[in-house]
Amino acid sequence: NAGVTQTPKFQVLKTGQSMTLQCAQDMNHEYMSWYRQDPGMGLRLIHYSVGAGITDQGEVPNGYNVSRSTTEDFPLRLLSAAPSQTSVYFCASSYGAGGGGYTFGSGTRLTVV
Amino acid sequence: AQSVAQPEDQVNVAEGNPLTVKCTYSVSGNPYLFWYVQYPNRGLQFLLKYITGDNLVKGSYGFEAEFNKSQTSFHLKKPSALVSDSALYFCAVRDGGTNAGKSTFGDGTTLTVKP
Repeated sequence: NAGVTQTPKFQVLKTGQSMTLQCAQDMNHEYMSWYRQDPGMGLRLIHYSVGAGITDQGEVPNGYNVSRSTTEDFPLRLLSAAPSQTSVYFCASSYGAGGGGYTFGSGTRLTVV
Repeated sequence: AQSVAQPEDQVNVAEGNPLTVKCTYSVSGNPYLFWYVQYPNRGLQFLLKYITGDNLVKGSYGFEAEFNKSQTSFHLKKPSALVSDSALYFCAVRDGGTNAGKSTFGDGTTLTVKP
């Protein structure tokens, strides 16, 4: 099993560019989430989903969009990149309520110049 | 709103000594609690969870955690630390009721185990 696959691993964007971070899981997990990790600030939730067709905002959703058209995929779109979005992004998935802990992807290191 | 506090940015212990990494939480419904570990330049790995049942839960690599409802705490423990345990540790909470899909993480605690 591949688990949670994130692509790309590294990306450099210019301010104002848009891009999509891909996330796919092959464990039939209901829950999927996107987090960003910044030094000294832990993991902050951007968006999350409890199933196909259902998404909701986390703590820091501004500047990001998500969709969940299938159980497997949960892409994160940066609409117009800003230097403040320089971060490491993690996608995670888990079974539904009461289930196991998250399985995390290996992360995407994004730099916006 | 749910929240997690990890009051110590850094914990230093000598190899062979017991270790504790502290976590307190706030959630309106039943708490689902988790610990994760992040080794340098790597992703996060699940260590253990508390959903219901025994207050002492055991997880990977010899770690355990004690759930204390009255103190709203979920401290991570290990009887004998190893140098290889040095890493960044995160506590997380999920509301088992209405917001079950949303997990909130603490800011993390860096554990350093010295030989």
